[in-house]
Amino acid sequence: EAGVTQFPSHSVIEKGQTVTLRCDPISGHDNLYWYRRVMGKEIKFLLHFVKESKQDESGMPNNRFLAERTGGTYSTLKVQPAELEDSGVYFCASSQRLEGGFTFGSGTRLTVV
Amino acid sequence: GESVGLHLPTLSVQEGDNSIINCAYSNSASDYFIWYKQESGKGPQFIIDIRSNMDKRQGQRVTVLLNKTVKHLSLQIAATQPGDSAVYFCAERYTGGFKTIFGAGTRLFVKA
Repeated sequence: EAGVTQFPSHSVIEKGQTVTLRCDPISGHDNLYWYRRVMGKEIKFLLHFVKESKQDESGMPNNRFLAERTGGTYSTLKVQPAELEDSGVYFCASSQRLEGGFTFGSGTRLTVV
Repeated sequence: GESVGLHLPTLSVQEGDNSIINCAYSNSASDYFIWYKQESGKGPQFIIDIRSNMDKRQGQRVTVLLNKTVKHLSLQIAATQPGDSAVYFCAERYTGGFKTIFGAGTRLFVKA
């Protein structure tokens, strides 16, 4: 089966611009998660979708971040306007069940200059 | 607050030796723990998990040990190979929660 796909793999934008990251989970996985890793630190939770509903968005840092999952399939994470501290690697993961581990995508490396 | 941390940020071992990667967690309500391996340019990959009602679980060349008394988790890799070089993350999930909390990671270097 195809894994979790993230696009783009890299993005370099200027401060103040907008960037949209996309994640295609494994087909049939209702659970979709966004995480990010900043400056080689821990992988931090951003939010969790169950189908198209936001189950938990407690990790979203501020209202410059907007995640959507229309139709319960792919998800997008928009950062608008981007700030320097938003630089990092954004991971998407999906799972069929709440128990067990996730399958992660390869991540999008975002650099804000 | 809750935190999952690692004792050592880097670990260097000789090929063929056993590796032990340690992790401490602070939330006594955590009941499920996972180890992930992340290779360069890839996302974290599930290695092994353990529930809080167990203290040891074995996989292929890997063993996870859980000591709930001191809130400590370890990953043992037997006969470490160059392909084991990666960053290893421990993660925890607590009862009734949906989010998985990750630690900062330990980088494992395997010397040939």
